[in-house]
Amino acid sequence: NAGVMQNPRHLVRRRGQEARLRCSPMKGHSHVYWYRQLPEEGLKFMVYLQKENIIDESGMPKERFSAEFPKEGPSILRIQQVVRGDSAAYFCASSWTGLNEQFFGPGTRLTVL
Amino acid sequence: SQQGEEDPQALSIQEGENATMNCSYKTSINNLQWYRQNSGRGLVHLILIRSNEREKHSGRLRVTLDTSKKSSSLLITASRAADTASYFCARDNSGYALNFGKGTSLLVTP
Repeated sequence: NAGVMQNPRHLVRRRGQEARLRCSPMKGHSHVYWYRQLPEEGLKFMVYLQKENIIDESGMPKERFSAEFPKEGPSILRIQQVVRGDSAAYFCASSWTGLNEQFFGPGTRLTVL
Repeated sequence: SQQGEEDPQALSIQEGENATMNCSYKTSINNLQWYRQNSGRGLVHLILIRSNEREKHSGRLRVTLDTSKKSSSLLITASRAADTASYFCARDNSGYALNFGKGTSLLVTP
């Protein structure tokens, strides 16, 4: 049973470009969470999704950031017009229900030049 | 902020010694989860302890929870060099969004 998959593992973008981060949850998991980790910091919750629904996006910046979890395919975190402050590690987690352990992927390290 | 604090921020011990890390929080929780993160890597889930539980064990790990003091501790017994990592406690007080602190950086030297 494969764990949570994220790709790419490393992503370099120039200011103003778009970044697309993908997350495939563990098999059987329908709850997906995105977190961001700045250097030397803990993870910060961004958004919680179930299939085709955004449940809570209170931790996600209102502008330039969006997330989706379509009926088919991976969850996508999209950052438009990236700025240097977006450089961070972005982790996806999944769980079987909303009250169970969250299992994390290896993360995508975004560097904005 | 609903975040708490991990204490200490950094801990250096020798192999074979026990390591104790503490976590405090401010608001009531559904559960509390401990994770390990090796440098530059993802998080590995260690233990989940629910608000109605007081202690859980998993191998060399022992987690306690004191809801009256809003604190938890992680004990690693007979530590090994491979235990070197950052350890985070994550508070679940919403039913889904985990609140992480800055973690405890553990160094185990041979």
